[in-house]
Amino acid sequence: KQEVTQIPAALSVPEGENLVLNCSFTDSAIYNLQWFRQDPGKGLTSLLLIQSSQREQTSGRLNASLDKSSGRSTLYIAASQPGDSATYLCAEFSGNTGKLIFGQGTTLQVKP
Amino acid sequence: DGGITQSPKYLFRKEGQNVTLSCEQNLNHDAMYWYRQDPGQGLRLIYYSQIVNDFQKGDIAEGYSVSREKKESFPLTVTSAQKNPTAFYLCASSIDPSGYTFGSGTRLTVV
Repeated sequence: KQEVTQIPAALSVPEGENLVLNCSFTDSAIYNLQWFRQDPGKGLTSLLLIQSSQREQTSGRLNASLDKSSGRSTLYIAASQPGDSATYLCAEFSGNTGKLIFGQGTTLQVKP
Repeated sequence: DGGITQSPKYLFRKEGQNVTLSCEQNLNHDAMYWYRQDPGQGLRLIYYSQIVNDFQKGDIAEGYSVSREKKESFPLTVTSAQKNPTAFYLCASSIDPSGYTFGSGTRLTVV
């Protein structure tokens, strides 16, 4: 059974700090990996998508990497801001099942 | 603007009652999905549809039903057989595996 795990479940950092969120997956047939942001009581907003043939994607202060051999992805947030406070979810699209499989999320709090 | 609209935002269900959650998209996406989210957990797939008049069970389909009579619409019915329906429900659509668009969610509470 494919699983996606995110550690830590919660993270609190002071404003301005660079931080890394971790995501691990067990599916060897990963098609792509996506990072989403979720604000409290809201839907999901897509942040970055990495195809299985790529190693990283960047958007502004966000950089996501993908290492298929180790089954890991990281989301790097540079110069964190209070507005970055949210829950971040990673999800891998399985080439075997044709489904998007989600991790439990990391809830980030950036303190002013 | 193209997007996905879920309604209502909040829904209350009495014991033994069926309720229907609405999901409409104007993105011209073929595939649509329903997910359930519980506190501290990721999203779990309830049902999905890749084409009109066809849908498949996801990982937690028991106690739920869907229909896909139009490309734009994918309503989810939470039946009385679902014993623990209190959760946040999210609808999504995609044109291919490379991009999912999510609605803003419906919070269902049993009263």
